[in-house]
Amino acid sequence: QQQVKQSPQSLIVQKGGISIINCAYENTAFDYFPWYQQFPGKGPALLIAIRPDVSEKKEGRFTISFNKSAKQFSLHIMDSQPGDSATYFCAAAQGGSEKLVFGKGTKLTVNP
Amino acid sequence: KAGVTQTPRYLIKTRGQQVTLSCSPISGHRSVSWYQQTPGQGLQFLFEYFSETQRNKGNFPGRFSGRQFSNSRSEMNVSTLELGDSALYLCASSPRTSGANTGELFFGEGSRLTVL
Repeated sequence: QQQVKQSPQSLIVQKGGISIINCAYENTAFDYFPWYQQFPGKGPALLIAIRPDVSEKKEGRFTISFNKSAKQFSLHIMDSQPGDSATYFCAAAQGGSEKLVFGKGTKLTVNP
Repeated sequence: KAGVTQTPRYLIKTRGQQVTLSCSPISGHRSVSWYQQTPGQGLQFLFEYFSETQRNKGNFPGRFSGRQFSNSRSEMNVSTLELGDSALYLCASSPRTSGANTGELFFGEGSRLTVL
């Protein structure tokens, strides 16, 4: 049973455009929602994260929007750059554990 | 500060063999987790250790085992290898001390296992 559903599977955006990746979760006990970025040959790296007591968190060009009632959250990348081309994973975790449940990933390509 | 170090980076085994993968966490991190990454299943949680105690285990068969040493270094072992065990095995450490998760996992570059 996939507990975190991520879409789209792949995304192509022009340089300067906005990239949007969506995730939906089922387990209402999740209380931590991070996004990870992975480049080929590297391990995932934490990009930004949110807890359900806020609806939005922004760090530079990256913003997480969180909708608790809909059990959905999304990553917005503003002014997308070719260097942002990577695979992005959303994830969710429950209090007291470092166990992350990951979405299947979105391969983002930003064309110059 | 050195990152998470995993060894070996690449290895090839045959069905029925066993394998041991090693992970050295970031200095000062006492929490270590392991994940399996495959194209089909994505990233799946294997184990979580904190101060030598397994705190959580994923939905994997008993052939997958792990442990953590007093210096926080961790190993995972897969016995009786199957073709489907071919994957990238990722180790992550966390600055978590106790209680609630920090959520901030620092991943190594992984050990890529190929089973023939």
